[in-house]
Amino acid sequence: DTGVSQDPRHKITKRGQNVTFRCDPISEHNRLYWYRQTLGQGPEFLTYFQNEAQLEKSRLLSDRFSAERPKGSFSTLEIQRTEQGDSAMYLCASSLGGLGKKLFFGSGTQLSVL
Amino acid sequence: RKEVEQDPGPFNVPEGATVAFNCTYSNSASQSFFWYRQDCRKEPKLLMSVYSSGNEDGRFTAQLNRASQYISLLIRDSKLSDSATYLCVVLVLNAGNNRKLIWGLGTSLAVNP
Repeated sequence: DTGVSQDPRHKITKRGQNVTFRCDPISEHNRLYWYRQTLGQGPEFLTYFQNEAQLEKSRLLSDRFSAERPKGSFSTLEIQRTEQGDSAMYLCASSLGGLGKKLFFGSGTQLSVL
Repeated sequence: RKEVEQDPGPFNVPEGATVAFNCTYSNSASQSFFWYRQDCRKEPKLLMSVYSSGNEDGRFTAQLNRASQYISLLIRDSKLSDSATYLCVVLVLNAGNNRKLIWGLGTSLAVNP
């Protein structure tokens, strides 16, 4: 399967802990996006990369959130000092080309902060 | 007013019915439009792009009305497997000439036997 993969699928953590998620995009895709989704809501944009450059960050992305894509391939999203409000599905997507191109999503990482 | 608005539903229809969803957008500079489908606890997947002249893919028809600023999705002869949430996505041009994708909250469809 050469789709977008995310790891882990589920993460349960205690408030105040740090968590890190990984996303492996489709190999030739230059753009990588992170979204957050809660039940009954559409995906909320967090940030995106073109190759290794982080081009945009949402205002939703507080100082506790950081994302990297060091070699323009896989990406990590870290949340420091997690809060209960961080509980959500974190979705990664990749695309070839600019905005407006088809997004291929991974299965997501479901985060539960207790 | 939200940038992209959808009726959340749920729409409950019998198999074989025709059902239509609308999605309104507020930014007249919106450039591209898409419908994504999301099954329960799964990731979104592109269903179809929406072209100015309207487009059809099997039982699915998408249309764009720029004057009234809405897009629509029509599903004919609905199947049980069409049960899902349908997300409207709009590519808008921001102040500052930046483009971004805006996602609607989705419309839930349940097709019943």
